[in-house]
Amino acid sequence: EPEVTQTPSHQVTQMGQEVILRCVPISNHLYFYWYRQILGQKVEFLVSFYNNEISEKSEIFDDQFSVERPDGSNFTLKIRSTKLEDSAMYFCASREVKKTQNQPQHFGDGTRLSIL
Amino acid sequence: RKEVEQDPGPFNVPEGATVAFNCTYSNSASQSFFWYRQDCRKEPKLLMSVYSSGNEDGRFTAQLNRASQYISLLIRDSKLSDSATYLCVVIHQAGTALIFGKGTTLSVSS
Repeated sequence: EPEVTQTPSHQVTQMGQEVILRCVPISNHLYFYWYRQILGQKVEFLVSFYNNEISEKSEIFDDQFSVERPDGSNFTLKIRSTKLEDSAMYFCASREVKKTQNQPQHFGDGTRLSIL
Repeated sequence: RKEVEQDPGPFNVPEGATVAFNCTYSNSASQSFFWYRQDCRKEPKLLMSVYSSGNEDGRFTAQLNRASQYISLLIRDSKLSDSATYLCVVIHQAGTALIFGKGTTLSVSS
């Protein structure tokens, strides 16, 4: 079964540094998402991306964050000047493009980001 | 007010028990509803979509009450492997982003 893959599985970074989290969505999917989950808290939506542009973003997704699809397979989340509170599990998800909202989003197994 | 609220539990039940989880959502414009399952430190996985007429998938039954903005999940004949956190998830009318509740933890023991 095709799956969403994320790298690295764990990233440790000094506060103030930039970090790039990488995702390879399922090949025929065209909607991409980033979510995060701070330890012990709920999963939170960050951003969705379709047709090479952001289609939705949450209040969390401020100027510190950016997303990119640099080639035909990768989807990246960049965090500039990381803060301690950016420590979380970051999940990438993708789904097919169909007219119904009930199309399932398939999640990668996440990147654990630790800011020191 | 939280967008999606769930009783955090934990629910501790023996094998074979029936257990029910409830969820309320605040945005009356929500259009799609799901239950996801999350194992410890793993990604969320879709358990089932929730339809207005209610739907069943094996031992799992989901119900939606739009008037009360209430969603439920019933698990019959609990198995040890059902131990996980169950996440209530909605999508607002205008978008496709998943809005998660904090989850209800279930522990099934032998």
